[in-house]
Amino acid sequence: DIQMTQSPSSMSASLGDRVTITCQASQDIGNNLIWFQQKPGKSPRPMIYYATNLANGVPSRFSGSRSGSDYSLTISSLESEDMADYHCLQYKQYPLTFGSGTKLEIK
Amino acid sequence: QVQLQQSGAELAKPGSSVKISCKASGYTFTSYYISWIKQTTGQGLEYIGYINTGSGGTNYNEKFKGKATLTVDKSSSTAFMQLSSLTPDDSAVYYCARGNNPYNWGQGVMVTVSS
Repeated sequence: DIQMTQSPSSMSASLGDRVTITCQASQDIGNNLIWFQQKPGKSPRPMIYYATNLANGVPSRFSGSRSGSDYSLTISSLESEDMADYHCLQYKQYPLTFGSGTKLEIK
Repeated sequence: QVQLQQSGAELAKPGSSVKISCKASGYTFTSYYISWIKQTTGQGLEYIGYINTGSGGTNYNEKFKGKATLTVDKSSSTAFMQLSSLTPDDSAVYYCARGNNPYNWGQGVMVTVSS
């Protein structure tokens, strides 16, 4: 199975900060990666698909990028509504596998 | 709009089975597979597998073979997942999602296994 190593597991940042979360894939996944946002008690919401494409309705402060086997989700200027858990998912190979998640808190 | 409405929370005894449902609306049901995902605090998100809503064909994560059984009722646009021989480790929130690459998710069903 493809391992997705996500970091950090948790972080705290101030409003207006630039925040980056990373998933490293153990094998080549091309750009077959989705970033999800999950708020307490809610189901995951897709934010970025195919590594770099913004999902419908997602604010432009969110972006996705790739450098080799490292995939990143960046929030350019943190807002209070961005407090949530974030998960990556690779869909290159079955079984699909998720990162371990990042809990983002606001300072 | 695309909606996946899942059944309610389940409380089950060890050794028993539960069957949870996922009713789709807002799109042509047989045009998309349905995936199932398990979420726990300890293990995070795990992909269980998917069902081809047109043919009924399935693809399971090896880890969940023998534990989960996926079925579909095209007449009601509903997908089902049965979990058998339940243990406390099966306590989790279970999600259905549209597509073999899960994109739109249902609201989740909490399954609690306890004697």
